[in-house]
Amino acid sequence: DIQMTQSPSTLSASVGDTVTITCRASQSINNWLAWYQVKPGRAPNLLIHKASTVESGVPSRFSGSGSETEFTLTISSLQPDDFATYYCQQYDTYWTFGQGTKVEMK
Amino acid sequence: EVQLVESGGGLVQPGGSLRLSCAASGFTFANHGMNWVRQAPGKGLEWVSYISPYGTTSYADSVKGRFTISRDSAKNSLYLQMNSLRDEDTAVYYCARAALGLSFFDFWGQGVLVTVSS
Repeated sequence: DIQMTQSPSTLSASVGDTVTITCRASQSINNWLAWYQVKPGRAPNLLIHKASTVESGVPSRFSGSGSETEFTLTISSLQPDDFATYYCQQYDTYWTFGQGTKVEMK
Repeated sequence: EVQLVESGGGLVQPGGSLRLSCAASGFTFANHGMNWVRQAPGKGLEWVSYISPYGTTSYADSVKGRFTISRDSAKNSLYLQMNSLRDEDTAVYYCARAALGLSFFDFWGQGVLVTVSS
């Protein structure tokens, strides 16, 4: 099974900050990596797929990068609506999520 | 507009059964693979099961042999039959659409709560 290790588990930041979340796969996943935003009581929202392809309608402050086993999600100029929990997901072999990163207000 | 609406959750005793439904609209349901994903209280997301447009199924090891995924394209509906429920199955269950030709999840429902407790 492919394991996904996400860090940090919690990130304290302020509006306007640039934040970076890291996701590491236990083996190469050929860039088959997605990022999701989850808020309590809401449907999860797909942000990025294929490691760096930003979904239509997602603000340009969200970006993804990486390859093979190391990936990052960057949020530039954090906005109030961005305080949420973020998950990476590999879809190379079945599906596995990272443990999640909660972005909270400092 | 794509919509996925889950129903059928509730309180069930350990060892009991429950059937979740997901009503899909706003897209050609028959063309898409569909998934169930769950989130236990205070925990992260866990993929549970997948069904292809043709009916091929996959399950997480944690539910294999106890849960059955199915679909009815005439009714634009996805189902999850959950048997032999355990305390650790307590979670919010989400229905999620697989993107066409790809397998990340491009639309999700808001989820339904399943509580397994005596």
